[in-house]
Amino acid sequence: NAGVTQTPKFQVLKTGQSMTLQCAQDMNHEYMSWYRQDPGMGLRLIHYSVGAGITDQGEVPNGYNVSRSTTEDFPLRLLSAAPSQTSVYFCASSYSSGGWGEQFFGPGTRLTVL
Amino acid sequence: SQELEQSPQSLIVQEGKNLTINCTSSKTLYGLYWYKQKYGEGLIFLMMLQKGGEEKSHEKITAKLDEKKQQSSLHITASQPSHAGIYLCGADPHFQGAQKLVFGQGTRLTINP
Repeated sequence: NAGVTQTPKFQVLKTGQSMTLQCAQDMNHEYMSWYRQDPGMGLRLIHYSVGAGITDQGEVPNGYNVSRSTTEDFPLRLLSAAPSQTSVYFCASSYSSGGWGEQFFGPGTRLTVL
Repeated sequence: SQELEQSPQSLIVQEGKNLTINCTSSKTLYGLYWYKQKYGEGLIFLMMLQKGGEEKSHEKITAKLDEKKQQSSLHITASQPSHAGIYLCGADPHFQGAQKLVFGQGTRLTINP
């Protein structure tokens, strides 16, 4: 199993540009999440999904869109990039059995918005 | 909303020494996750604690959950260079599952040879 994969690893955008961060998992996990990590602030939840076709907002959803058309994929879209979205983005997936269980993280995407 | 405070924020220890990292919650802890992050990489799951008083160990790392104090501690015995990294605690604020974790700000651990 490849686990949780994210592409790209690095990205530089100009203010106002849009892009999609890709996330895929091959463990048949129902739950998937997107977090952003900023210095001194730990990880903050952007959006999450409990299954295909079901998504919901986390703590910091503004400026981001998600969709979940398949169990495997959970892309994160930046609609109009802003310097405040410069961060490291992590995708994660987990089992759905009762909610409790290990959350598997991808290697991250380091995004810089100029 | 639940907040997690980790202490210390950074820690430098001599190889072979013991150390403790604390994670304190502003609300009741239903469960607590510990992760390790190597610089520039993703998060590696260490342990999950669900019950008050629960204690788990893996190799030289022991984690405990004190529900009354709303706190968890991570203890490393006889530290090694491989223990260096950022340690993060995470909690499920609504007891709804691991897909919506709240994280502490992290503790950066440096091991000096």
